[in-house]
Amino acid sequence: LAKTTQPPSMEAYEGQEVNVSCSHTNIATSEYIYWYRQVPHQGPQFIIQGYKDYVVNEVASLFISADRKLSTLSLPWVSLRDAAVYYCIVTDSGNYAQGLTFGLGTRVSVFP
Amino acid sequence: GPKVLQIPSHQIIDMGQMVTLNCDPVSNHLYFYWYKQILGQQMEFLVNFYNGKVMEKSKLFKDQFSVERPDGSYFTLKIQPTALEDSAVYFCASSQTGGNQDTQYFGPGTRLLVL
Repeated sequence: LAKTTQPPSMEAYEGQEVNVSCSHTNIATSEYIYWYRQVPHQGPQFIIQGYKDYVVNEVASLFISADRKLSTLSLPWVSLRDAAVYYCIVTDSGNYAQGLTFGLGTRVSVFP
Repeated sequence: GPKVLQIPSHQIIDMGQMVTLNCDPVSNHLYFYWYKQILGQQMEFLVNFYNGKVMEKSKLFKDQFSVERPDGSYFTLKIQPTALEDSAVYFCASSQTGGNQDTQYFGPGTRLLVL
């Protein structure tokens, strides 16, 4: 599995856009990129997934570099509820029902 | 979104006793998972389960651990006997198909304290 590297923490004010980067320099062609977030006292919550290019949903957007070694999760107009630890996870498509490998994530703090 | 429930939310137990953690997965999901998170540390995969069988388990899934889902009821994690190092938050997750693009949905966790 490709190892991921994220900044340990980020800070933003409400209403700002937050971009969380993730490096996965050894990502294999069979691997997909997932983002989850976890707020205190809750389990991780799925945000978005992608394989290449650009993916967007109602919560966030995900940009994946052309060589797939870097991805960036973009959260538009953050609110206090977006304060959480954000995890970038790479999974292998050939490994069915694979357990997810969480790193330490990026702790995003949001200030009013 | 889909909800995974976990019972109890907290459990305090004496070392050496048995504990059973219960998970009520999303109703049409077929794949089930347990993860362990020690305070301040990263979440670690323990085991996954499908069609009545363990599919994959990590090195953290000790011999004292067992999982089952009798008659489609709760998906359970049993620890017998418990040890001090088992103190952690245990998260259950479920997914529909298990495929690579299938999302795992997590419960809120059971906080286990072994004294």
